[in-house]
Amino acid sequence: EAGVAQSPRYKIIEKRQSVAFWCNPISGHATLYWYQQILGQGPKLLIQFQNNGVVDDSQLPKDRFSAERLKGVDSTLKIQPAKLEDSAVYLCASSRPRGSHEQYFGPGTRLTVT
Amino acid sequence: DAKTTQPNSMESNEEEPVHLPCNHSTISGTDYIHWYRQLPSQGPEYVIHGLTSNVNNRMASLAIAEDRKSSTLILHRATLRDAAVYYCICGLQGGSEKLVFGKGTKLTVNP
Repeated sequence: EAGVAQSPRYKIIEKRQSVAFWCNPISGHATLYWYQQILGQGPKLLIQFQNNGVVDDSQLPKDRFSAERLKGVDSTLKIQPAKLEDSAVYLCASSRPRGSHEQYFGPGTRLTVT
Repeated sequence: DAKTTQPNSMESNEEEPVHLPCNHSTISGTDYIHWYRQLPSQGPEYVIHGLTSNVNNRMASLAIAEDRKSSTLILHRATLRDAAVYYCICGLQGGSEKLVFGKGTKLTVNP
C-alpha cells in the first residue's frame, strides 16, 4: 500500500509569513495526526483527527496554528504568522480505526523560519 | 502516560546483537509498551509492541520484565541500516492514541 504522503518536503520562509503543509494519509485510515519535531527532540503531537473531527488539539498553538481535514481524508496544517521557534520538521501520521497499535508516518516537511 | 527512561546513546558493531533498555517504573496494568525508530531524515516507523509477554517479529524482539517496570528491545544482528534513534513509549491503551515521544536512544552501528 502507498505510504503517507506529505508536501512540500522543505520550506523556507521569513518570520511573520504564512505557510501551509499538506498530508494525504494511507487509504482507509480514519485517524490522522500532526506532530512537530524540533531538532534534537522527539516528535510532539499538535493535533489528532478521527475522520474529520478533532480528537485532541491541546498542544496546538491556536493563535497561529490551524488544521483541517476535509471529508475525512487529506489534511492541511497552517501557520500564520510564523515565528523563528516554529522551525522544525512537521510530521503527519495515520492509523487504522481503534484497535491498531501502529502509526504510519510520512517523511515530514522541514520548515525553516528566518 | 508512563514516563520512560532510556540511555541517550549506544554503540554496536555490525552483525552483533543489540539490547536497547527502557525503564518505565510507573507503567499501569493496561499500558502497552511500544517501540518506534527514526532513521536519519525520515519519519518514525513502528518496530514492535507488547503488553506482558515477550514478542517477536521480523524486525526485532521485545523482552518485558516480569514486573513490567522495564523492557528491552533486541536487534538480533545489527546492520548499518539499523542506525537510528529508538523510542520506547508507554501509556497507550490500544489503538488510535497519540504517541508521547521522549528523546530516545541514538544507536550507532560500526562496520
